[in-house]
Amino acid sequence: AQSVTQPDIHITVSEGASLELRCNYSYGATPYLFWYVQSPGQGLQLLLKYFSGDTLVQGIKGFEAEFKRSQSSFNLRKPSVHWSDAAEYFCAVALSAGTALIFGKGTTLSVSS
Amino acid sequence: DVKVTQSSRYLVKRTGEKVFLECVQDMDHENMFWYRQDPGLGLRLIYFSYDVKMKEKGDIPEGYSVSREKKERFSLILESASTNQTSMYLCASSFGDQPQHFGDGTRLSIL
Repeated sequence: AQSVTQPDIHITVSEGASLELRCNYSYGATPYLFWYVQSPGQGLQLLLKYFSGDTLVQGIKGFEAEFKRSQSSFNLRKPSVHWSDAAEYFCAVALSAGTALIFGKGTTLSVSS
Repeated sequence: DVKVTQSSRYLVKRTGEKVFLECVQDMDHENMFWYRQDPGLGLRLIYFSYDVKMKEKGDIPEGYSVSREKKERFSLILESASTNQTSMYLCASSFGDQPQHFGDGTRLSIL
């Protein structure tokens, strides 16, 4: 069965430091890949997506993610974290962009000053 | 910008009640989804719909039903609410191969 694993439940990063959130997926073919962010009490906002082509994708708010087929990974990165980045981050996959998403369990990011 | 509106941010109901959660999108999207979010479990798919009057079960449909009489509206129904249905419910919509847009969620408490 298809699944998404986010190994880190909670990460704390100092403001200004770099960030990497890990995501691994189990899928028969290369799926469509997404990262969403959820601020407290809010819905999910799309950060970036990968469908095909260049394996390094840029998103909003200075985030980027790299698809590595050999590792079945789609890790999210940001070179310098801001306090406003504190939120919960979800990696998700789908057979195609319009179909239902399979989510990881999320990683909560805390930012320390 | 796409707007997905969930009618209630917070809702408190009693065990055994029939509960309706409403979701409306304003962009003529054909695809609509209901997810349930629980701490440590992420989001899980309850039901989805790719067209009016069409519905498909997701991973956890037990205890729920849905209705899609109009393209813009997708309702989630708890036939007889139970305490284990206390959760955050998120509605999403999409068009073609575009990513899903989410509402702000309804936090439902069943007492």
